[in-house]
Amino acid sequence: EDQVTQSPEALRLQEGESSSLNCSYTVSGLRGLFWYRQDPGKGPEFLFTLYSAGEEKEKERLKATLTKKESFLHITAPKPEDSATYLCAVQAQKGGSEKLVFGKGTKLTVNP
Amino acid sequence: GAGVSQSPSNKVTEKGKDVELRCDPISGHTALYWYRQSLGQGLEFLIYFQGNSAPDKSGLPSDRFSAERTGGSVSTLTIQRTQQEDSAVYLCASSLAALAGTPYEQYFGPGTRLTVT
Repeated sequence: EDQVTQSPEALRLQEGESSSLNCSYTVSGLRGLFWYRQDPGKGPEFLFTLYSAGEEKEKERLKATLTKKESFLHITAPKPEDSATYLCAVQAQKGGSEKLVFGKGTKLTVNP
Repeated sequence: GAGVSQSPSNKVTEKGKDVELRCDPISGHTALYWYRQSLGQGLEFLIYFQGNSAPDKSGLPSDRFSAERTGGSVSTLTIQRTQQEDSAVYLCASSLAALAGTPYEQYFGPGTRLTVT
C-alpha cells in the first residue's frame, strides 16, 4: 500500500529562521511527488512536482528536493505569510489511476 | 483564468438526508477528482474521471456515495442517507490528461464543508 508520512506535524519558526519539512514515502513505482500549500478554509495550492531522485525545484523562499525514499521542503528566511499547512502527495505508476496519496501535512507558523 | 469552482461552499444537513455537491473543473481539463478531508486526517481519494473512460471508484467508502460527470465537464458527488461520519470537507480537483509516464499537477477547488447533524 502506498504511504506518505510527513514530519513534524507542526513547526513554529521565527521570521528569518530557516528550516526543512520532511516527507517520507513508500510507493510501488513513483510517477511524481507533489508539494501543496493549504491555507485555512481553502483548497490546496500547487507548489512543485518532482519526478526522479536528485531533482530539485525552487520558488521564492522554497526549495524542494527528492531522494528515493523522501522529499524535503526547505524554507529559507521565512516570512509570516509563509504560515500555512504544507502537504506532500505521491502518484504511483500502477493501474493507470491518477489519484494522489497525501500525507497529513505539516502546519507551519512563522512568527514576526 | 478561472479555477476550479465548487458549490455550495457550506452545507448543513440532517442525518439520513441526501446531499449533492457540485464541481466545475478548469476549462480544458479532462481529468477530474474528488477527495475528502476530515479533521486531523489527510486528503482521502474518492473517485477519478478521465474523458470517456470508466471512472476509478476505488476510493468511495460505501455504496451511499456516487458521482457522475456530465458532458465531460461538471461533476456531481451524491451522498445518500448521510451519516455523522460523512462530515468533512469535500474537495474537487482537475488536471490535464496525463501523458504516458508524465503526471500533470492537480488544481483544487475551495471545497464544500459538509456538516451532518
